[in-house]
Amino acid sequence: KNEVEQSPQNLTAQEGEFITINCSYSVGISALHWLQQHPGGGIVSLFMLSSGKKKHGRLIATINIQEKHSSLHITASHPRDSAVYICAVGIGTSYGKLTFGQGTILTVHP
Amino acid sequence: ETGVTQSPTHLIKTRGQQVTLRCSSQSGHNTVSWYQQALGQGPQFIFQYYREEENGRGNFPPRFSGLQFPNYSSELNVNALELDDSALYLCASSSKRTSDEQYFGPGTRLTVT
Repeated sequence: KNEVEQSPQNLTAQEGEFITINCSYSVGISALHWLQQHPGGGIVSLFMLSSGKKKHGRLIATINIQEKHSSLHITASHPRDSAVYICAVGIGTSYGKLTFGQGTILTVHP
Repeated sequence: ETGVTQSPTHLIKTRGQQVTLRCSSQSGHNTVSWYQQALGQGPQFIFQYYREEENGRGNFPPRFSGLQFPNYSSELNVNALELDDSALYLCASSSKRTSDEQYFGPGTRLTVT
């Protein structure tokens, strides 16, 4: 079993829909990251969480430390949100190794 | 804007050759981590450098090596390339050794034929 599991692996939505991507992890963490990757490679950091909830524009990220679970929500989705969304966790504090989920491929149709 | 740059953008090498990939950290960042992302997979941690010394390593063989320079730019070297080394190589810089606030570069796409 992977240390970081994401669901769903693929997600298709119509423009305007509310989207939720889930991330579960099996180990104690120092921080959880939500990342966005567009075709061609480059990764953009969306959020870093260690507790609670963060909001940036139409994106909301929550984390429940007790349940070892995080969600990324996109409100009023748009075709430009189409990308791979990756959950990554920092395990331990001795160095900055991130362990990544496999990613969720999101496609938003107009 | 992250400020992390990588070169080259794309690279094609032949099995058995050696390759050097470069990363320029965001200004003020003294820590760089390297990741390998195979097609369709999440990135895998290769190693981290902090103030010019290796500060943690993932499950990669010794033919993957690195350097960090006094200006905190970094190189990833891979010797004796294998077909399975074909991947996107990402570097991420941060101002601390911990996993907080890592800023990713655009990546180098390596193809081994």
